[in-house]
Amino acid sequence: NAGVMQNPRHLVRRRGQEARLRCSPMKGHSHVYWYRQLPEEGLKFMVYLQKENIIDESGMPKERFSAEFPKEGPSILRIQQVVRGDSAAYFCASSPPSVQGRQFFGPGTRLTVL
Amino acid sequence: GNSVTQMEGPVTLSEEAFLTINCTYTATGYPSLFWYVQYPGEGLQLLLKATKADDKGSNKGFEATYRKETTSFHLEKGSVQVSDSAVYFCALSETGNQFYFGTGTSLTVIP
Repeated sequence: NAGVMQNPRHLVRRRGQEARLRCSPMKGHSHVYWYRQLPEEGLKFMVYLQKENIIDESGMPKERFSAEFPKEGPSILRIQQVVRGDSAAYFCASSPPSVQGRQFFGPGTRLTVL
Repeated sequence: GNSVTQMEGPVTLSEEAFLTINCTYTATGYPSLFWYVQYPGEGLQLLLKATKADDKGSNKGFEATYRKETTSFHLEKGSVQVSDSAVYFCALSETGNQFYFGTGTSLTVIP
């Protein structure tokens, strides 16, 4: 059973470009969570999604950031018009519907904005 | 609000030394508490957890006790190994969906 997969592992973008980060949850997991880790800081919750639904987006910046988890395919975190302050590690986690409190993390995507 | 404060690193220990990484929390309700470990190039892995006051979580020789009176969940290990070198994150969750993490403590164990 493959773990949570994220790609790309490293992403470099210039200011103003778009960044798309992908997360494939573990098999059988229908809940996905996105976290951001800024340099010298802990992981900060961004958004919690179930298939085709955003459940909690209280940690998402109000502009330029969006997330989706379609019925088929991976979850996508999209950052439009990136700025240098978006440079961070973005982690995805997944959990099965029946087990709350247990999240399995992917290896993260490190975004660098030039 | 909810938050986690953990001991700043980096921490460097010799093999077989005793490890303590301090963690304190602030919560509005009755959270579950967790320690996650991140090895180089990998995602976070759950190390141990405790769901209520006075519970002790343990795994791979690591232990942490949920202390409500001191709002703490310190991580301990009696004898560290080189393979324990990693970054350790303390976290809490009230709902099981939203986690609050500390900043992480980097541990290096030298032979």
